[in-house]
Amino acid sequence: GEDVEQSLFLSVREGDSSVINCTYTDSSSTYLYWYKQEPGAGLQLLTYIFSNMDMKQDQRLTVLLNKKDKHLSLRIADTQTGDSAIYFCAESIGNSGYALNFGKGTSLLVTP
Amino acid sequence: DTAVSQTPKYLVTQMGNDKSIKCEQNLGHDTMYWYKQDSKKFLKIMFSYNNKELIINETVPNRFSPKSPDKAHLNLHINSLELGDSAVYFCASSQGNSEAFFGQGTRLTVV
Repeated sequence: GEDVEQSLFLSVREGDSSVINCTYTDSSSTYLYWYKQEPGAGLQLLTYIFSNMDMKQDQRLTVLLNKKDKHLSLRIADTQTGDSAIYFCAESIGNSGYALNFGKGTSLLVTP
Repeated sequence: DTAVSQTPKYLVTQMGNDKSIKCEQNLGHDTMYWYKQDSKKFLKIMFSYNNKELIINETVPNRFSPKSPDKAHLNLHINSLELGDSAVYFCASSQGNSEAFFGQGTRLTVV
């Protein structure tokens, strides 16, 4: 299948905002997700957005969805060193329950 | 209590061997999954099981076979292991279209 695209690296200074972008492939995806993976750890669901929404805000996280362009972004306000991790964008695959097609992940490095 | 648990956490084995990775979920979910994360951190779905029925089988070699003895377990059997099978394998479970919970992963190294 086609790939979900993300930039591979992002470096920001502590306190700044981080914006991670993603282009997904399946216009019929019902949900779009952002996962976080810390070094040596499993996957943690950060947030998700339903496909009929444009924006979702959850504390420091803001998700923007442009369905026309199949573009999803994750903004992290006041980025902290503990936010350093790999962030994966994912789209649900058709009607297959929660089966996901993941992007290649964006490694976020937060420097003091 | 661990929601989705995988064993072992680390597995080192020689080429040509047959091995299994076990996964158990105590959430009462009806669907379980296996994902593979390669050395470049790329994550791909391998299998999905719903009520003991295979739903998705991506282009995975038939050396890999999921086995579900009951709704709470989905084990991954791998025959004739190859160097390229080295990866981290994640198990997950979900109830319908709700959030999936992932296990901590099994790091498989084939030497």
